[in-house]
Amino acid sequence: EKVMTQSPATLSVSPGERATLSCRASQSVSSNLAWYQQKPGQAPRLLIYGASTRPPGIPARFSGSGSGTEFTLTISSLQSEDFAVYYCQQYNNWPLTFGGGTKVEIK
Amino acid sequence: EVQLVESGGGLVQPGGSLRLSCAASGFTFSTYWMTWVRQAPGKGLEWVANIKQDGSEKHYVDSVKGRLTISRDNAKKSLFLQMNSLRAEDTAVYYCARAAGSGYDDFWGQGTLVTVSS
Repeated sequence: EKVMTQSPATLSVSPGERATLSCRASQSVSSNLAWYQQKPGQAPRLLIYGASTRPPGIPARFSGSGSGTEFTLTISSLQSEDFAVYYCQQYNNWPLTFGGGTKVEIK
Repeated sequence: EVQLVESGGGLVQPGGSLRLSCAASGFTFSTYWMTWVRQAPGKGLEWVANIKQDGSEKHYVDSVKGRLTISRDNAKKSLFLQMNSLRAEDTAVYYCARAAGSGYDDFWGQGTLVTVSS
């Protein structure tokens, strides 16, 4: 099973600032990496797949990068609606696995 | 509009059984892999299982193998999770999700809560 490790666990950011979230895989997952956003009481929402591709409707301020074992999600200018928990997920091998999440909170 | 609506959650005693359902609409259900993901109270996401379009291939996380069974009925556009020999650690919100290919999930239901307790 591939272990996904996210850092930091909590990130305190002011609105309008840039946020950088990290995700590391215990073994290479190629570019088979997705990012999700989850707000309290809601289901997760897909933000990024293929490490760097945004689905339709996801704002351009969200960007993903990386391959192999190191990945980054960047939110270029945080909006109030972006304060949430973010999860990475590898889908290179079964069982698919999620990271533990990064909570982005208001500074 | 893609919609996934889970049902069947509730309170069950340890060792008991429960069957979750997920009703799909707004897309051609029979052409997608489908997934169950769970989230224990206050915890992160855990991928549970997925199933191929025709039901011929299924994958599970080790912790549920032999106890939870994923299945589908394409004619009824429904996904199921049969949960047997339930344990306290199975307590979670269970989400049904549509998979893009056999990987990431692009649409999610709102979840149904399963509580295993005496």
